[in-house]
Amino acid sequence: DVKVTQSSRYLVKRTGEKVFLECVQDMDHENMFWYRQDPGLGLRLIYFSYDVKMKEKGDIPEGYSVSREKKERFSLILESASTNQTSMYLCASSVQANTEAFFGQGTRLTVV
Amino acid sequence: RKEVEQDPGPFNVPEGATVAFNCTYSNSASQSFFWYRQDCRKEPKLLMSVYSSGNEDGRFTAQLNRASQYISLLIRDSKLSDSATYLCVVNLPTGNQFYFGTGTSLTVIP
Repeated sequence: DVKVTQSSRYLVKRTGEKVFLECVQDMDHENMFWYRQDPGLGLRLIYFSYDVKMKEKGDIPEGYSVSREKKERFSLILESASTNQTSMYLCASSVQANTEAFFGQGTRLTVV
Repeated sequence: RKEVEQDPGPFNVPEGATVAFNCTYSNSASQSFFWYRQDCRKEPKLLMSVYSSGNEDGRFTAQLNRASQYISLLIRDSKLSDSATYLCVVNLPTGNQFYFGTGTSLTVIP
């Protein structure tokens, strides 16, 4: 079974803090994604990566950056956390284009 | 215009009922289609892929209508355990992006 693991289930951070969300997948998938999920808005793509050190902006990249130094790990960075970044963050991976995505368990981030 | 749109519901149906969800997509060149299921406070999980010829998995049937640009999910003989949010997902021609509908909430009532 594919396993996508996010480092934390719940996080509480203060406004202005730099926040790191880590995601690791164990199936050698090429593609990795970061989404945020908010009530009424569904899942929105923040960034994705199709290869090591490659990254592409999604629909809502502002206030975020990513890092993919190794194939199995994709990190999401909130440079200076703000209260409007309180959300559920979901990491996903897929083996190639047009195949299904597998999700991590999600990180519920609260910025106070 | 959203890439993927679906009726948010909620759908409240009795056990044993048949329920159908539709989802429309805006890009006619979309390549891959999926239905995901998401339980409360959990991550989305693949329910089934949607093929051009339609496909069935037990009580679940998925259909794709390219001409009208919609996909559907039919659940027969609903069980209490089917209560969840069902997400429609479309993969765009660029291949590396998935677009999600906002989800349709289903509650199966005893």
